[in-house]
Amino acid sequence: DIVLTQTPLSSPVTLGQPASISCRSSQSLVYSDGDTYLSWLQQRPGQPPRLLIYKISNRLSGVPDRFSGSGAGTDFTLKISRVEAEDVAVYYCMQVTEYPYTFGQGTKLEIK
Amino acid sequence: EVQLVESGGGLVQPGGSLRLSCAASGFTLSSSEMNWVRQAPGKGLEWLSYISSSGSPIFYADSVRGRFTISKDNAKNSLYLQMNSLRAEDTAIYYCARGRAGDILFGQWGQGTLVTVSS
Repeated sequence: DIVLTQTPLSSPVTLGQPASISCRSSQSLVYSDGDTYLSWLQQRPGQPPRLLIYKISNRLSGVPDRFSGSGAGTDFTLKISRVEAEDVAVYYCMQVTEYPYTFGQGTKLEIK
Repeated sequence: EVQLVESGGGLVQPGGSLRLSCAASGFTLSSSEMNWVRQAPGKGLEWLSYISSSGSPIFYADSVRGRFTISKDNAKNSLYLQMNSLRAEDTAIYYCARGRAGDILFGQWGQGTLVTVSS
């Protein structure tokens, strides 16, 4: 199985400041079609997960542009340019390149 | 509007069975891949099972293979998860999530249904 390792697991951030979460995969996430199926999800307290970004860097419609994804191969990053109060959540990376699909452990974003 | 609504959760004794449902609206299951994902209390997300738009292939996580069965009824536009031989470690919120829709996978999630396995 593909293992996704997120760092940090907890991230205290000041409002208005940037935040960054890393996701490292145990193997390449490049699929046979040439695309890389690495997604980022947000889960606010008491809510179901919500897809933010798919295929490394594509924002879902309605996701604020302060969220951005980057990376390639086995190393990926989610960045929030200026953290807002509504961004308090747990963030997960997820690979949908091969079965079984797997998630990172989650990173809890908190406000300092 | 695309919507997924899970139901069927509840309290069940170890070794018991439960059938979860996921009613879809705003799109047709007959042309959609679907998944089940769960989240144990205070823990992360675990993918459980996938069913293709045609009903085959089907995939399972090792943790539930042989005990859980995914299926769908296109006429009712509903997805199901039959769970047998339940264990305490199956206690979790169970989510259905839409598979591929164009380039987007897991773009829609239900609100989840809680399954508690306890005597």
